Amino acid sequence: NAGVTQTPKFQVLKTGQSMTLQCAQDMNHEYMSWYRQDPGMGLRLIHYSVGAGITDQGEVPNGYNVSRSTTEDFPLRLLSAAPSQTSVYFCASSYNSDSGNTIYFGEGSWLTVV
Amino acid sequence: GQQLNQSPQSMFIQEGEDVSMNCTSSSIFNTWLWYKQDPGEGPVLLIALYKAGELTSNGRLTAQFGITRKDSFLNISASIPSDVGIYFCAGRDIGTYKYIFGTGTRLKVLA
Repeated sequence: NAGVTQTPKFQVLKTGQSMTLQCAQDMNHEYMSWYRQDPGMGLRLIHYSVGAGITDQGEVPNGYNVSRSTTEDFPLRLLSAAPSQTSVYFCASSYNSDSGNTIYFGEGSWLTVV
Repeated sequence: GQQLNQSPQSMFIQEGEDVSMNCTSSSIFNTWLWYKQDPGEGPVLLIALYKAGELTSNGRLTAQFGITRKDSFLNISASIPSDVGIYFCAGRDIGTYKYIFGTGTRLKVLA
């Protein structure tokens, strides 16, 4: 009963380092997405995907890359980490159909860039 | 960036009081969702709404999908201390399938 699995849960990076946050779901969801949540803020959409091979930018995509080679996986790459990317990152997934769906979240990844 | 307007931003209430919060958008959505987030955890779904005018309850929680499809509200009746947390609304954009979240309502219940 895994649902949406994110790794790592906690990470500390130095400015300029790169890393990948992993996200996997086992519900055969077409839609996957990454959000960041800063203290006192809501969830802001970074990138999303409506199916394998398709990705699109959300509201705050700068500094992040994504790819969707399989239905199950949607990794988020930080190319050159900056302190402004210190945040909590949530991966989420859903079916694409027009109604009757909800979006399911992973447990979050706490990232600190020093 | 595109976000829903959620109000109030925060509220302190006495235990036993009713609470109301709402979200408005400039876009039409085909789905409205309400989530609660506790510290250090991911959002957890409370109520899902899929049709304009729909009114749905989950225990002491009641939510409605606005007729214009651009707004939704959540009511909590007879609040208890464990209702403390951040409540988020989310709408699903019809054209792109993406989910947009509100800025959150921080609820504190005074015993």
